[in-house]
Amino acid sequence: KAGVTQTPRYLIKTRGQQVTLSCSPISGHRSVSWYQQTPGQGLQFLFEYFSETQRNKGNFPGRFSGRQFSNSRSEMNVSTLELGDSALYLCASSLGGTKNTEAFFGQGTRLTVV
Amino acid sequence: AQTVTQSQPEMSVQEAETVTLSCTYDTSESNYYLFWYKQPPSRQMILVIRQEAYKQQNATENRFSVNFQKAAKSFSLKISDSQLGDTAMYFCAFMIDGGGNKLTFGTGTQLKVEL
Repeated sequence: KAGVTQTPRYLIKTRGQQVTLSCSPISGHRSVSWYQQTPGQGLQFLFEYFSETQRNKGNFPGRFSGRQFSNSRSEMNVSTLELGDSALYLCASSLGGTKNTEAFFGQGTRLTVV
Repeated sequence: AQTVTQSQPEMSVQEAETVTLSCTYDTSESNYYLFWYKQPPSRQMILVIRQEAYKQQNATENRFSVNFQKAAKSFSLKISDSQLGDTAMYFCAFMIDGGGNKLTFGTGTQLKVEL
C-alpha cells in the first residue's frame, strides 16, 4: 500500500511569488491535514480537509489556503511569499471518520523563500 | 486552547539503556488522544505510540511504553533497550476526540543514542 506522497520534495521561490504544494493521501483516506515546521515555531497546524470540505483551520493568514479534490488529493497554496514562509510543510492523511484514527505523514516539501 | 510542553530539548542515552522523555499538556477537554511521534533525520514523522484518555491502562508498543497520569496531565515516554536507530526528534502531540484530525505538538526532544 503506497504511503502519503508529497510533491515536490524541494522548492525554491522568490519573495512575492506564489507556490502550490500537493499531497496524495493513502488510498481510502479522506482526511488530509497540513502542518508547517520551522526551527523557531515548531510544528503548527495549518488546516484539515475532509471530503472536500475544510474541517479545521489553524491560525495562519489568508495567504495560506488549501483545497481537496474528489479523489482526496489535497493542495495548499501560499500567495505573496515571505521569507518567513521558508519551512518544511508536512501533510498527514487519515481515514477521517467520526472516530479519530492514526495520521500517516508524508516526507514533506522543503520550501525555501529567497 | 490546548498546549503541549516538552521541557527536555535534548537527551542522550547509552545503547541498551532505558530513557524517559517527559511531556505535559493542558486542556479543558475530557476526551482526547495523546501521541508520541518520532522524526528521524529523514524528516518523516512516524507514530510511536498512542493513548486514549479514557483508558486507564498505559499503552505499550514493544520497547516503547507510556506513563499516562491524567490528573497530572502528564504523558511520558519510556524507551527500553535503546537502539542506535532510536536517535531522532520525539514529539508529544494532542488531539481532541471528535475534533477532526488536528494535532497540537510539543516543541520536541532530540534524543541521541550513543555506543
